[in-house]
Amino acid sequence: GNSVTQMEGPVTLSEEAFLTINCTYTATGYPSLFWYVQYPGEGLQLLLKATKADDKGSNKGFEATYRKETTSFHLEKGSVQVSDSAVYFCALSAVGGSNYKLTFGKGTLLTVNP
Amino acid sequence: DGGITQSPKYLFRKEGQNVTLSCEQNLNHDAMYWYRQDPGQGLRLIYYSQIVNDFQKGDIAEGYSVSREKKESFPLTVTSAQKNPTAFYLCASSIGSNQETQYFGPGTRLLVL
Repeated sequence: GNSVTQMEGPVTLSEEAFLTINCTYTATGYPSLFWYVQYPGEGLQLLLKATKADDKGSNKGFEATYRKETTSFHLEKGSVQVSDSAVYFCALSAVGGSNYKLTFGKGTLLTVNP
Repeated sequence: DGGITQSPKYLFRKEGQNVTLSCEQNLNHDAMYWYRQDPGQGLRLIYYSQIVNDFQKGDIAEGYSVSREKKESFPLTVTSAQKNPTAFYLCASSIGSNQETQYFGPGTRLLVL
């Protein structure tokens, strides 16, 4: 079946540090890949997505590239801010029956200190 | 503003009681979903609905029930058969069943008294 594995947290960084959160996946076919962000006490917000190999998703300074050869979709940001503190979820979408189903990783808690 | 609303924000359940979580969307989306989130875990799919009056079980449907009588509403009932209901429940929607991007509501935290 489909699965997503992302690096375990928590991750603690200082402001303006470089961020990488690793994500690898297992899926049949050609899934779409997503990063969602969850701020404390809130629902999930779509951060970025990529729908085919070598696509790069980007938003708010975050980037991730769909690497089919390594089945990876690592999240990066060049300079994090305190406001980026949240839980980040990697997810994939693959056809299950007639509906697209999301499979999530367990989430990585990021804390950015001033 | 278009979006997904969930109510209440916090809900308390007594032993043997059924409780219903509300989810409403004004995005005109056809598909709606319910997920359960436990600490340190990813989201797990409970039920989903692609069109009005139709829904399918997800990965952990036991102890839950849903209805989809209106396009904009997809309430979830946590029944007394669900022995470990304490969790954060998230509702989501997408434009159609063949659309991949899901949009989430703010969630309801269910606690057992």
